[in-house]
Amino acid sequence: NAGVTQTPKFQVLKTGQSMTLQCAQDMNHEYMSWYRQDPGMGLRLIHYSVGAGITDQGEVPNGYNVSRSTTEDFPLRLLSAAPSQTSVYFCASRPGGVRGYTFGSGTRLTVV
Amino acid sequence: AQTVTQSQPEMSVQEAETVTLSCTYDTSESDYYLFWYKQPPSRQMILVIRQEAYKQQNATENRFSVNFQKAAKSFSLKISDSQLGDAAMYFCAYRSAGNTDKLIFGTGTRLQVFP
Repeated sequence: NAGVTQTPKFQVLKTGQSMTLQCAQDMNHEYMSWYRQDPGMGLRLIHYSVGAGITDQGEVPNGYNVSRSTTEDFPLRLLSAAPSQTSVYFCASRPGGVRGYTFGSGTRLTVV
Repeated sequence: AQTVTQSQPEMSVQEAETVTLSCTYDTSESDYYLFWYKQPPSRQMILVIRQEAYKQQNATENRFSVNFQKAAKSFSLKISDSQLGDAAMYFCAYRSAGNTDKLIFGTGTRLQVFP
């Protein structure tokens, strides 16, 4: 049982490049979400999904796209990277009900 | 909109002693969940404890317990018998009970544990 797997763990991009951060979970969780963590600001929600085919925006969605074609996968796409997107990105999943989230180990992204 | 406030950027405690981390939140909802997450230097986010707002009884998990005061919108974390491995960032978080996945975090408290 691998839990939530994020790839890559580290990435450096040039301004204007695009890329996809991968997230996969093997726990059959309905809910998945993406957060970014910046110094002194805690974690902020980018996008989330309440099931396959359903996504919605979080607090800071601009510059990011998501899709959820399967229960297992929830990729995050950066359309045109900007230095302001330098951050640590976390993917998380949870089952329905009151239980807490399982987080991936994070991706440290630097945009130069 | 809901907000979560952690007013203690840093705390320290002696090994084997007890420490309390504060968290307040603002919401107009009556049904919600509250969480404490631990983030050690490894960066992994680890669930420490959770509380359902409809439950009056405070949650406990081994050495970790909460003081949930719904009317005051306060949700503090007490760590008893502190251990060196408890040193980490601690985040308080809020989630509505509806069909949403919006977990709202505070800015965190860095806990240092001294031998």
